[in-house]
Amino acid sequence: DTEVTQTPKHLVMGMTNKKSLKCEQHMGHRAMYWYKQKAKKPPELMFVYSYEKLSINESVPSRFSPECPNSSLLNLHLHALQPEDSALYLCASSQVPGPYEQYFGPGTRLTVT
Amino acid sequence: KQEVTQIPAALSVPEGENLVLNCSFTDSAIYNLQWFRQDPGKGLTSLLLIQSSQREQTSGRLNASLDKSSGRSTLYIAASQPGDSATYLCAAPINYGGSQGNLIFGKGTKLSVKP
Repeated sequence: DTEVTQTPKHLVMGMTNKKSLKCEQHMGHRAMYWYKQKAKKPPELMFVYSYEKLSINESVPSRFSPECPNSSLLNLHLHALQPEDSALYLCASSQVPGPYEQYFGPGTRLTVT
Repeated sequence: KQEVTQIPAALSVPEGENLVLNCSFTDSAIYNLQWFRQDPGKGLTSLLLIQSSQREQTSGRLNASLDKSSGRSTLYIAASQPGDSATYLCAAPINYGGSQGNLIFGKGTKLSVKP
């Protein structure tokens, strides 16, 4: 099973709200990624977790806070977002950290009002 | 620094036609190259991953090639169908010591197959 799941599919939040995005995989993968994709643009890497530890933060604003509670689960906590943060947020995983095949989830469409 | 380019940005073909999508990269010390399909508003579906030691990979009507010396990869789609309409993205992992698999994406080719 090469499935990465993400919830919710859609999220609308105000700039003062706090919400979380969830990503789950049961393939035994030890690297998990968050990407942000704006309309008509390619995905851009935000964070990488390697063996449940944050290994890369691509200068993402602190209003985005990632968390990896266990090897199967990845969260992205959102607080005080701006309208320009509206995008498709994609989660991916690979067997181990490094240049290996990545499997993507369906994404969460986030709208900040 | 690895840069990935895809040309054309959009392509429209009649059903049944064979077609080629192009992907160029600047760093020939590429580890692998992955092709994805993305339907509007959806996530990425991995189509093929071709390792640097390989010249070709095939899956059904899809064939991907890799030429490191020229910095090019192509995705060949045989006998195209309307259901193939989507945006196709290629991506290569960033090359540096300690790389955690950061993918560098091209901007994609939006394919439209007309019935």
